[in-house]
Amino acid sequence: DIVMIQSPDSLAVSLGERATINCKSSQSVLYSSNNKNYLAWYQQKAGQPPKVLIYWASTRESGIPDRFSGSGSGTDFTLTISSLQAEDVAVYYCQQYYSTPPTFGQGTKVEIK
Amino acid sequence: QVQLQESGPGLVKPSETLSLTCTVSGASVSSGSYYWSWIRQPPGKGLEWIGYIQRGTTNYNPSLKSRVTISVDTSKNQFSLKLSSVTAADTAVYYCARDVDNIRFDPWGQGTLVTVSS
Repeated sequence: DIVMIQSPDSLAVSLGERATINCKSSQSVLYSSNNKNYLAWYQQKAGQPPKVLIYWASTRESGIPDRFSGSGSGTDFTLTISSLQAEDVAVYYCQQYYSTPPTFGQGTKVEIK
Repeated sequence: QVQLQESGPGLVKPSETLSLTCTVSGASVSSGSYYWSWIRQPPGKGLEWIGYIQRGTTNYNPSLKSRVTISVDTSKNQFSLKLSSVTAADTAVYYCARDVDNIRFDPWGQGTLVTVSS
C-alpha cells in the first residue's frame, strides 16, 4: 500500500493568515500516461463526513472557495488556505488513488490561533 | 443532486456479521460511470477504504478482503456491505461514497456508527 504522511499533525493559524499542510507519499502518484497526479484533498468538520476540496492535486472541486489551493507533483504535495476563515476549522486529509487500495493521510487539524 | 444515506444496526456482537445498506438518490448504482464505495473511520482516527462495486464488479482492500462482501440491488438503487467475524477493532463510523473516476470520493453519506460489543 502507498503510505501517505501529512505534516504537521495540527496547526493554529490566525484569522486571515495562511495555512499550509504538507502531504508526502511513499511512492510517486504521478501517472505518466496522462501526466496527472492521483492525489485529492478533503476537509472534515466535526460530526460531518469528509468533503472533497481538490483533486488531480490542484483542481478545485466545484463550489470550493478559491482560498483553497493545491500544489505539488510526484511524492510531495501541499494544501494552502490563503486566508483562514472561522469556517475552515476542520481536519484535512490527503488521499492517493494511484493504486488500490486508495489510502489517506493521518489528517491535519487546523484551528484558530 | 446525488445523495447517499447509510442504514443498519448500530450494535453488532463480536464474531457476528455487520450489515449496512446505502441508499442512493440522484444517480443510478447500475450506471457504469461511477464506482460505489464503503469507507470507515474508527472513533477519533483516520479513514480506511473498504472496497467498491461497479456493475457487479468488486474490489476490496486486501486487509479486509477475506471478510468483506459488497453487493448491489439495482431495483432499490442500493448497495450493501457485509463484514464478517467482527471484533472491537471494527468499531467505526461507516460511510458510503461515490467514487468518481477512481480519483476522488464525492459525495459521502452522513455516516453511521457501528459498535462491536457484547
